[in-house]
Amino acid sequence: QKEVEQNSGPLSVPEGAIASLNCTYSDRGSQSFFWYRQYSGKSPELIMFIYSNGDKEDGRFTAQLNKASQYVSLLIRDSQPSDSATYLCAVRPAAGNKLTFGGGTRVLVKP
Amino acid sequence: NAGVTQTPKFQVLKTGQSMTLQCAQDMNHNSMYWYRQDPGMGLRLIYYSASEGTTDKGEVPNGYNVSRLNKREFSLRLESAAPSQTSVYFCASSTGQQETQYFGPGTRLLVL
Repeated sequence: QKEVEQNSGPLSVPEGAIASLNCTYSDRGSQSFFWYRQYSGKSPELIMFIYSNGDKEDGRFTAQLNKASQYVSLLIRDSQPSDSATYLCAVRPAAGNKLTFGGGTRVLVKP
Repeated sequence: NAGVTQTPKFQVLKTGQSMTLQCAQDMNHNSMYWYRQDPGMGLRLIYYSASEGTTDKGEVPNGYNVSRLNKREFSLRLESAAPSQTSVYFCASSTGQQETQYFGPGTRLLVL
């Protein structure tokens, strides 16, 4: 079992709809969780991070964390074609300070 | 502020050749990292440096060496390149190990 798992996609959503991305992790003691966006041929850029159970909103993005169920999700509201990218989930395990990345979910927003 | 810079952007090597990938950051960050990214595999940590003067192995260190030259610079060396090292290499830095990591533009390496 991978430490951090994501559906590779592609997740196809119409413009204006909500894109919902999920990420599960195996280390129950993980403390911090990150979502990065990566456009094709570019480097990852941080969208947001979350440490506590519940929701965290930043503009059109909402991260949701459920430590009991060991998943973190990202919602993209009012999806735009410019949101078409691969979204990487990263988790900092309880032991050590290194990030573990999932394989990424490719999102396609169709006009 | 250039952020995190990497050189070269592209490189083609023959099996057995050596090369050094350069990374520099101007954000006064303490921690620096080297990752490789392969299709469907996400980012895998090769080596990291928690602070100037220290380096540690990550998930996939075999075939690589690193040098933390000073606080700004962290280089990755392939002593004898193999086709399995064909990948995109990203350098990243952060204020501390618990903090957000910022990535460089990447180096695309092809080993024939």
